[in-house]
Amino acid sequence: QLVLTQSPSASASLGASVKLTCTLDSGHSTYGIAWHQQQPEKGPRYLMKLNTDGSHSKAGETPDRFSVSSSGAERYLTISSLQSDDEADYYCQTWDTGIRVFGGGTKLTVL
Amino acid sequence: VHLVESGGGLVQPGGSLRLSCAASGFSFKDYWMSWVRQVPGKGLEWVANIKEDGSEKYYIDSVKGRFTISRDNDKNSLSLQMNSLRGDDTAIYYCAREYQAAAASWGQGTLVTVSS
Repeated sequence: QLVLTQSPSASASLGASVKLTCTLDSGHSTYGIAWHQQQPEKGPRYLMKLNTDGSHSKAGETPDRFSVSSSGAERYLTISSLQSDDEADYYCQTWDTGIRVFGGGTKLTVL
Repeated sequence: VHLVESGGGLVQPGGSLRLSCAASGFSFKDYWMSWVRQVPGKGLEWVANIKEDGSEKYYIDSVKGRFTISRDNDKNSLSLQMNSLRGDDTAIYYCAREYQAAAASWGQGTLVTVSS
């Protein structure tokens, strides 16, 4: 079964960097994922995609402060130079044929 | 890209509701489309999606046999027919345009409340 696991919460200081983790289940450890941001009281917004071959693509409005990487079954979203409006929920998403799956989300607090 | 959902509201358990999503700003017929829902205060849950020409449709297990996704490429419109609604279907429903399987553009959502 296709499953994505995210830590429920993370925090980092204004101006610092934070690395959010999304873990694929062992049977799908090579899959690509996408990251989405949901600010308080707003709808989700697509940030960027990390493909199976390691390449990635960003939404046009996603700042360069956001980057993606991976190691084994873990997929990372790194946000540098944290700003107050980066405080949001972050969701990873993956897919297999027509099925789509979201992780449970990580609530990021900017201190 | 502009996606506008409509059709949400209050419905009794066992009732039906049809959601619509009006798409503009892109070539609708060239993209997979999805419905994603979110219980207020909780996480995102993918519900269903449909291929560009409507020939393939996929659903999360909990809605199979109750929900039907469809599209009208001439009217740039996506729909979700929801029957036999239950309390756990209560959520904000988002329409999303997919790009290489990712939900790359989102609507603002429409709230569905199932309650007596």
